[in-house]
Amino acid sequence: DADVTQTPRNRITKTGKRIMLECSQTKGHDRMYWYRQDPGLGLRLIYYSFDVKDINKGEISDGYSVSRQAQAKFSLSLESAIPNQTALYFCATSEMGALTETQYFGPGTRLLVL
Amino acid sequence: GESVGLHLPTLSVQEGDNSIINCAYSNSASDYFIWYKQESGKGPQFIIDIRSNMDKRQGQRVTVLLNKTVKHLSLQIAATQPGDSAVYFCAENISGSNTGKLIFGQGTTLQVKP
Repeated sequence: DADVTQTPRNRITKTGKRIMLECSQTKGHDRMYWYRQDPGLGLRLIYYSFDVKDINKGEISDGYSVSRQAQAKFSLSLESAIPNQTALYFCATSEMGALTETQYFGPGTRLLVL
Repeated sequence: GESVGLHLPTLSVQEGDNSIINCAYSNSASDYFIWYKQESGKGPQFIIDIRSNMDKRQGQRVTVLLNKTVKHLSLQIAATQPGDSAVYFCAENISGSNTGKLIFGQGTTLQVKP
């Protein structure tokens, strides 16, 4: 969905490097999320944010940090990448106050840590 | 712990047949459920949702059935087409959590044979 974009789409890095994954959305949604997807494990929540001043840890936040620079931008950082952080990363958004919690996903970033 | 899971990891169907993908959830407080479709190289895409006050909801060629008694959710796809080949995820939202967080199942791969 072009309303939610992620950069880069693919990234190869080395152990110990710091990297940042970026997410932008034009849907005007307040809520943004970062997920990690591993084969056989579905999607797991890393961090989520309800607005610019609100950041919350998800179920697997260790080794990650986030920054909500604006309503439309939410970035995920790996301060010191390790091989078991190799995964597919997705950003998602949802509308606060909506009757449902439908989340809309970006195309994903494939990260390989060597 | 609470979990959302799928009965079968892979479902293979003939083009034109109907497909049924199942999902079991364990949190009785969940009140909203979503089915997502994820094609290769793309992010999850919303298909259909259902609230717990309903037991059936229909979309275009898709139907979601909810059985709260046995905590079971299913997605039915009519006249399955090659373009339906993808991984399908169910997700649940817990009532009153006000977090916007979704719990995802592991996914079922649907393969459509021509």
